[in-house]
Amino acid sequence: GQQLNQSPQSMFIQEGEDVSMNCTSSSIFNTWLWYKQDPGEGPVLLIALYKAGELTSNGRLTAQFGITRKDSFLNISASIPSDVGIYFCAGRKDDMRFGAGTRLTVKP
Amino acid sequence: NAGVTQTPKFQVLKTGQSMTLQCAQDMNHEYMSWYRQDPGMGLRLIHYSVGAGITDQGEVPNGYNVSRSTTEDFPLRLLSAAPSQTSVYFCASSYAWGGHEQYFGPGTRLTVT
Repeated sequence: GQQLNQSPQSMFIQEGEDVSMNCTSSSIFNTWLWYKQDPGEGPVLLIALYKAGELTSNGRLTAQFGITRKDSFLNISASIPSDVGIYFCAGRKDDMRFGAGTRLTVKP
Repeated sequence: NAGVTQTPKFQVLKTGQSMTLQCAQDMNHEYMSWYRQDPGMGLRLIHYSVGAGITDQGEVPNGYNVSRSTTEDFPLRLLSAAPSQTSVYFCASSYAWGGHEQYFGPGTRLTVT
């Protein structure tokens, strides 16, 4: 099936550090998306990727669509306390599938 | 624009009861969908609709019904609630299936006892 494996499950980092998380699948996706969810709220789209090999930035966030179309990563540079939250990858082909999320904690 | 709204925010049901979770959007989006979010499992697609009068099943449709009589509204019905349906439910909409961003509602936290 179109399952997404997202890692790591959680991260505890110091403010100012860089963060990297990734998503892999045995299936090919046409679109990769990265969302952030704050407590008690719905996910908010951070970055959308539409082509294999695409590298896209949104401020301190950078994401890439893997060449094989089966993976994607998200980097956050120079983390700040408001980066705290759960980050989800999502792949879209016939429908949308989500990873289990990476819970990020940033210590000031 | 209010975006995507969901009601209620919290609900407790007894096993076997039925109820409808409401979702509305005021962005004239064609595509709407329902997800459930369980700890450690991310979001799973229940049902989706690509336009008024058209619905289809997602990854976990059993126990849920949907209808789309208008572009704005996409209610989710639980026919006979079970404890396994305890979850947080999110409604989302986007301009089109191939469109960029899905806008999520704030969620409904459902507990079935």
